[in-house]
Amino acid sequence: SQQGEEDPQALSIQEGENATMNCSYKTSINNLQWYRQNSGRGLVHLILIRSNEREKHSGRLRVTLDTSKKSSSLLITASRAADTASYFCATALLYSSNTGKLIFGQGTTLQVKP
Amino acid sequence: GAVVSQHPSWVICKSGTSVKIECRSLDFQATTMFWYRQFPKQSLMLMATSNEGSKATYEQGVEKDKFLINHASLTLSTLTVTSAHPEDSSFYICSAQDRVGSPLHFGNGTRLTVT
Repeated sequence: SQQGEEDPQALSIQEGENATMNCSYKTSINNLQWYRQNSGRGLVHLILIRSNEREKHSGRLRVTLDTSKKSSSLLITASRAADTASYFCATALLYSSNTGKLIFGQGTTLQVKP
Repeated sequence: GAVVSQHPSWVICKSGTSVKIECRSLDFQATTMFWYRQFPKQSLMLMATSNEGSKATYEQGVEKDKFLINHASLTLSTLTVTSAHPEDSSFYICSAQDRVGSPLHFGNGTRLTVT
């Protein structure tokens, strides 16, 4: 399977702490994206990092990409209870003509306790 | 921002009946939409790529006669689960791009329960 793997599968932290989630993938990619899913809802795009980028920031989010290790991490700083959700990484394959066809990781369920 | 609307949000049907799920791009045109299936506490599994004006491209292992996809306009794709069985019960989600290479915009999903 080309599907990526994420760890940890579940993470529980206190409000104010940082949360780090990791994603590994198997094939060469054009870009890697992170999405958030609240329970029973659709996914919301958080951030996209291209294969030639190593780090990207967006508000309290920091994403890194190491193409040599085929891995990425998502750091959420100063977490809030509202950050409680599942987080998925998704990869867009290199040379794919279908730029919307993403391979999703297994997801990390984050619980932020108030 | 780009909005994708999915309807219904939940549906209960009896075994043997068919169910249609709609996915609409509200403020942009989508030549391509995507349909996924998600089991509880699991990841999204891509079922098919819906192409406006042509046949959908199904992923390996997905029965095209079971899951009928129609993309008749640039703002609407439909997924019909035919002759539904309890094992078809799942969370179905659609997504679309508002331009090539952009991130995906997702609908809020449809919870299908087949009794």
